[in-house]
Amino acid sequence: QKEVEQDPGPLSVPEGAIVSLNCTYSNSAFQYFMWYRQYSRKGPELLMYTYSSGNKEDGRFTAQVDKSSKYISLFIRDSQPSDSATYLCAMSVNNFNKFYFGSGTKLNVKP
Amino acid sequence: EPEVTQTPSHQVTQMGQEVILRCVPISNHLYFYWYRQILGQKVEFLVSFYNNEISEKSEIFDDQFSVERPDGSNFTLKIRSTKLEDSAMYFCASRYRDGTDTQYFGPGTRLTVL
Repeated sequence: QKEVEQDPGPLSVPEGAIVSLNCTYSNSAFQYFMWYRQYSRKGPELLMYTYSSGNKEDGRFTAQVDKSSKYISLFIRDSQPSDSATYLCAMSVNNFNKFYFGSGTKLNVKP
Repeated sequence: EPEVTQTPSHQVTQMGQEVILRCVPISNHLYFYWYRQILGQKVEFLVSFYNNEISEKSEIFDDQFSVERPDGSNFTLKIRSTKLEDSAMYFCASRYRDGTDTQYFGPGTRLTVL
């Protein structure tokens, strides 16, 4: 069983739509949950960071963690063409060492 | 805004050659990492480094790989004898301290082994 599972997409939405991106995981010891955005041939860029369960909001982005279901989500409101990228979830046990990444979901926001 | 930098952006080498990938982490960061991403695949952890020693490494990080922080600013990944399957994007990352800080990634070095 893979540590982190993420639907690779691609996900295509019209501009202005609400986007929901999700990851599931198997290791109940994960405590730190991140969402990264990666443009083609670039390094991952940190978008959201959450410790343990709950919600976190930053502008148009909301991250949710449900540890009981081992499920995390990233919501993007009022999506823009500039949001078109691959979104990676990542998680770790202690935030010191190894991060486990999902395979990434490719998002295309059409004007 | 401070950022992690990596050089070169693209490295082409012959199989069996040694390569050194260089990274300059954010200046006040204390933890350093290397990841790789084979084209079309997920980002994979290679190694973490703290206080001048490896703190964790993956099964990918075998004897062909080594890391070094030769001075106060650079962090290097050396591959002693490259193989075709080492072709990938290599990302350096760094973070500051314990607690809520997380890793910030560099733009990557694309390694092509011929």
